[in-house]
Amino acid sequence: KNEVEQSPQNLTAQEGEFITINCSYSVGISALHWLQQHPGGGIVSLFMLSSGKKKHGRLIATINIQEKHSSLHITASHPRDSAVYICAVTGNQFYFGTGTSLTVIP
Amino acid sequence: DAGVIQSPRHEVTEMGQEVTLRCKPISGHDYLFWYRQTMMRGLELLIYFNNNVPIDDSGMPEDRFSAKMPNASFSTLKIQPSEPRDSAVYFCASIGLSYNEQFFGPGTRLTVL
Repeated sequence: KNEVEQSPQNLTAQEGEFITINCSYSVGISALHWLQQHPGGGIVSLFMLSSGKKKHGRLIATINIQEKHSSLHITASHPRDSAVYICAVTGNQFYFGTGTSLTVIP
Repeated sequence: DAGVIQSPRHEVTEMGQEVTLRCKPISGHDYLFWYRQTMMRGLELLIYFNNNVPIDDSGMPEDRFSAKMPNASFSTLKIQPSEPRDSAVYFCASIGLSYNEQFFGPGTRLTVL
């Protein structure tokens, strides 16, 4: 059983669509991270959350501590958003989801 | 495979001292990443290598930080001189061609007094 589950595993969207990626976790955490990994290999930390909601540009991340669930939303998606999005949680250890591969088609 | 190995697991040093962190990636993985994690800034990518070559070091905070990867099985992150604000957990991670999962080492908890 994975401590962090993401859904969907793969997602294809048309440019401009609203996108939601979900993350559920089963361990106690101090923080939840959303990472973005492009095919070139680099990973960007998009958000670190411990409660509530954060917004950065077209990206919004929410977390519900009671439900142990987080969502990453992308508004007005663009082909440059195509990447793998990884949810990670920090508790006693660092647990990662297996990622959601997003492809945004022009 | 034992996974990504980092050493030391904990390091306490005084300001001004040189610190060297070590990482052994998973055999066969082509990419190696160095991250730093703090509560204030979260997880930050410092630098990553592809086939032992540094690709992007834009996350390295300043010239006091340097990283090397002399071969496919070993990398170092050096801080000279260290400062209290360098206190953080430093993670090394490696990834293969699948891009679906990244393996992190256990981290090195650095405290600079």
